[in-house]
Amino acid sequence: ELKVEQNPLFLSMQEGKNYTIYCNYSTTSDRLYWYRQDPGKSLESLFVLLSNGAVKQEGRLMASLDTKARLSTLHITAAVHDLSATYFCAVFQGAQKLVFGQGTRLTINP
Amino acid sequence: GAVVSQHPSRVICKSGTSVKIECRSLDFQATTMFWYRQFPKQSLMLMATSNEGSKATYEQGVEKDKFLINHASLTLSTLTVTSAHPEDSSFYICSAPRDPTFGNTIYFGEGSWLTVV
Repeated sequence: ELKVEQNPLFLSMQEGKNYTIYCNYSTTSDRLYWYRQDPGKSLESLFVLLSNGAVKQEGRLMASLDTKARLSTLHITAAVHDLSATYFCAVFQGAQKLVFGQGTRLTINP
Repeated sequence: GAVVSQHPSRVICKSGTSVKIECRSLDFQATTMFWYRQFPKQSLMLMATSNEGSKATYEQGVEKDKFLINHASLTLSTLTVTSAHPEDSSFYICSAPRDPTFGNTIYFGEGSWLTVV
């Protein structure tokens, strides 16, 4: 059974700093997703990573995928308050089933 | 704008009644949709996979007679919570994958807050 683990689960950081969220998964998969969730809202799609070595960047966020290590990272550069949210990674199991990590609650302080 | 739309966004119902939540794909056909439940400060848990024209596939531990799923068309799936109880109060979210030509993106609806009193 596929397990997806994120760390850290809680992250409080200062504006302007850099940090990385890690997503490990237990079985082979060819697709990994990153989502953002604001309080009381649904999920916003951030990145879809489809192959080993894939790297995608949008603004201050950059995601990468290492399928051999079964690891994805979400790197935040020069954090700003607007990035405060909960971030989820999700991995495909089998044909179409998405399995989510626990989520990382990110708080960025001025 | 929204690619997958859910309705209602919030609903309050009395214990013992049933409530229906709709999930629509707005500009694409979705042969498969997924229904998730999320309790406060927790992750998303897949409840069932909804397949157009056939029976839904339920995850282990999800009562199929309580959570009725119907996927009658390529753009609409419905989740009906029957005989709702306070412990069914949760955030329910649907999702639908687009085909690979759209980058394999999986879109989520806005979610539906259900409160059972």
